[in-house]
Amino acid sequence: GAVVSQHPSRVICKSGTSVKIECRSLDFQATTMFWYRQFPKQSLMLMATSNEGSKATYEQGVEKDKFLINHASLTLSTLTVTSAHPEDSSFYICSALPGTGGWGNTEAFFGQGTRLTVV
Amino acid sequence: AQSVTQLDSQVPVFEEAPVELRCNYSSSVSVYLFWYVQYPNQGLQLLLKYLSGSTLVKGINGFEAEFNKSQTSFHLRKPSVHISDTAEYFCAVSPRSGGYQKVTFGTGTKLQVIP
Repeated sequence: GAVVSQHPSRVICKSGTSVKIECRSLDFQATTMFWYRQFPKQSLMLMATSNEGSKATYEQGVEKDKFLINHASLTLSTLTVTSAHPEDSSFYICSALPGTGGWGNTEAFFGQGTRLTVV
Repeated sequence: AQSVTQLDSQVPVFEEAPVELRCNYSSSVSVYLFWYVQYPNQGLQLLLKYLSGSTLVKGINGFEAEFNKSQTSFHLRKPSVHISDTAEYFCAVSPRSGGYQKVTFGTGTKLQVIP
């Protein structure tokens, strides 16, 4: 089946530093990838939609200058949390939509998530 | 716009007993329906999905779900649970038009299987 690899699985960083999270589709191409944030005991909240070769689309309330998304190839999207603060501590999950068109597909595949802790 | 309601935040059940996890949705357009499972500190794994056709959908690990359009429900069931089924389960919907672009997740149900 389709595999999405997310790295790192856990990261601890100091307040004020930046952290990059990678999301790779290992055996398929994905024009579109999604980034979610999950707070404890809550559901996944879509942060942004990452489109290869173009700017990401951010959901309302998500600071695009703080959460930088780069989708430089059909198999890799990165999320950089800039100037991280303790309130950014969360579980971040990516998913990738197979196919270069991005429309009409019915299922995206999820990475294993990244637990970010900012101290 | 669509919304998903999972009525039970936690469901304890004894091993080998049947279980039903409830999911209701609201949408102004036709939707696809999904159930995902999440084990601790992991991403989501698709259990099953309803796209069209038979309203009874069978998934992995012995789970099944039934789409009920009139009640706008998509409840997940398993006739006999195992300890390994202990996890959090998310119901989700996405609009048929435009594909998977705007999937909406429910708040999740934690299934606790008791030995």
